Amino acid sequence: QLQLQESGPGLVKPSETLSLTCTVSGDSISSSSYYWGWVRQPPGKGLEWIGNIYYSGSTHYNPSLKSRVNISVDRSKNQFSLKVSSVTAADTAVYYCARLVYNHGIQHFDYWGQGTLVTVSS
Amino acid sequence: DIQMTQSPSTLSASVGDRVTITCRASQSISSSLAWYQLKPRKAPKLLIYTASTLETGVPSRFSGGGSGTDFTLTISSLQPDDFATYYCQQYNTYWTFGQGTKVEIK
Repeated sequence: QLQLQESGPGLVKPSETLSLTCTVSGDSISSSSYYWGWVRQPPGKGLEWIGNIYYSGSTHYNPSLKSRVNISVDRSKNQFSLKVSSVTAADTAVYYCARLVYNHGIQHFDYWGQGTLVTVSS
Repeated sequence: DIQMTQSPSTLSASVGDRVTITCRASQSISSSLAWYQLKPRKAPKLLIYTASTLETGVPSRFSGGGSGTDFTLTISSLQPDDFATYYCQQYNTYWTFGQGTKVEIK
């Protein structure tokens, strides 16, 4: 059974960099036909896609966040990571990692982590 | 950007009710649409993809329909476990979610 688990600091200061890691178990992050992505949900608001990465390092980023976001992959640890720079209170959210099916026009998230709350505050 | 608009934002219903949620895209997305169920402190759950394909293991009381710009998620007979928030998501151009529909107990 595939499982994804987010980890990282729950509190980040304004203007600093938010860093999260997603550990994948039950499948190889190098599996073909899958990307690995990040989605967030600010308190009381809807879901926002952040970006995706393939095991080769190929990425897609949300244009509205692209200048501040970096997603990387560590195949040896079966993990992928998110960095969001210059954070503000607007980046306070539950951050989810998820597996993205990416095959012949089918591109949905089929497995998700439980999410981790990151608060931006001094 | 493709915008996704769900209605209603909140829906009050009783166990056994038939419930329909609507999702509208700002431009045609063919059948590039998925539906998810979210509950607090739980991993989101994929229900439907390609607008009408039921994910393995999802009860058959869930169904999806539509294409182009207008889509629906229907729960044929609402069960206690179905009280949750539902999101549509397009994947025609990048990935965009609707604002969510909360299904609450009437």
